Amino acid sequence: GENVEQHPSTLSVQEGDSAVIKCTYSDSASNYFPWYKQELGKRPQLIIDIRSNVGEKKDQRIAVTLNKTAKHFSLHITETQPEDSAVYFCAASIKRAAGNKLTFGGGTRVLVKP
Amino acid sequence: DSGVTQTPKHLITATGQRVTLRCSPRSGDLSVYWYQQSLDQGLQFLIQYYNGEERAKGNILERFSAQQFPDLHSELNLSSLELGDSALYFCASSVEVGEQYFGPGTRLTVT
Repeated sequence: GENVEQHPSTLSVQEGDSAVIKCTYSDSASNYFPWYKQELGKRPQLIIDIRSNVGEKKDQRIAVTLNKTAKHFSLHITETQPEDSAVYFCAASIKRAAGNKLTFGGGTRVLVKP
Repeated sequence: DSGVTQTPKHLITATGQRVTLRCSPRSGDLSVYWYQQSLDQGLQFLIQYYNGEERAKGNILERFSAQQFPDLHSELNLSSLELGDSALYFCASSVEVGEQYFGPGTRLTVT
């Protein structure tokens, strides 16, 4: 089955700096890669996703890149703010009819220091 | 608010007991997914239902079972509970092929 590895497990950045989280996946058939942000005790919230026919996607201060050949994808957060502090999870799945199960990476705890 | 609801919010029970967790998907979503999140295991996929039928199974224990009802709500049944079953249980829903939106979770504590 699919295996997703995520690095680093913790990341501390100064407010205003950039944060980068990297993930690798094992199943070359995976074609959907969402990123979730989870604050303490709360539900994971979808913040951005990318499909395998796209190399990069941007939404304000957040961007995701995908390298299908190398089977890795990354989340970039620019101009970090204290409210960006949370645990971030990458995931991979094979989108097919009637849904897709997500395989998650281990998570990255991001701390933005004011 | 994602539109996915889960009850109860918290559940405290003893080892050996049986509990039922409930999830109502977003309006229009046919797929429901259950995930378990424990401190040392991250988010683990348990099972998926689509329009009442089981579609995918993950690392779900035999002591656990689920179903999706005609009104599309889903229940996750956990039996013969062990201390190690203490975790956050999330359900998520999606349209036929789309983004998954998570509910607020049920925190299960087994004592």
